[in-house]
Amino acid sequence: DGGITQSPKYLFRKEGQNVTLSCEQNLNHDAMYWYRQDPGQGLRLIYYSQIVNDFQKGDIAEGYSVSREKKESFPLTVTSAQKNPTAFYLCASSIEAMNTEAFFGQGTRLTVV
Amino acid sequence: QKEVEQNSGPLSVPEGAIASLNCTYSDRGSQSFFWYRQYSGKSPELIMFIYSNGDKEDGRFTAQLNKASQYVSLLIRDSQPSDSATYLCAVNLWEYGNKLVFGAGTILRVKS
Repeated sequence: DGGITQSPKYLFRKEGQNVTLSCEQNLNHDAMYWYRQDPGQGLRLIYYSQIVNDFQKGDIAEGYSVSREKKESFPLTVTSAQKNPTAFYLCASSIEAMNTEAFFGQGTRLTVV
Repeated sequence: QKEVEQNSGPLSVPEGAIASLNCTYSDRGSQSFFWYRQYSGKSPELIMFIYSNGDKEDGRFTAQLNKASQYVSLLIRDSQPSDSATYLCAVNLWEYGNKLVFGAGTILRVKS
């Protein structure tokens, strides 16, 4: 089955640690996105990538890093520089960046302990 | 001005009524507009997309786009309790390299 897979579903991080959230898609989509959602809030764009080996910062990129070495993979690293990382993280992909709908993975809920 | 704005609600409608959800956007060059539904604790799911001015209907859902007014809306006819969710408007902002930006969402409650 084609789709977008995020792992893990739940992740706990100690303060000062870096953690990496996985996002894999087998839809042959060019564009991929990472969003953060806080309780009762909308989605805020962290990073997006329109093509392999290229990505752009979104509105809240500070404290996060990404890579796009393969078309199907777009991992997000939450670094220790991100002071308030507890949130619901959503990965999405679309056929191309312009004028096509995006589809979401099931999300990763990150909690700092 | 926020790039994509929605009234946070909650919007309460009785079962069987029409629910009207609204969204405005700042980038006049935007070409594509999307409505997503999100249940609590779940990821958003696409309901409709619209690219041209006017109305687009799909079952009980109608999306309306007015590019001159920078306004997009979603109408839900014959609202059901299962429609109770947060509805997110998303716009592909051409001015900013085609990044997909979401509004904060409108909470819809359908009362039986």
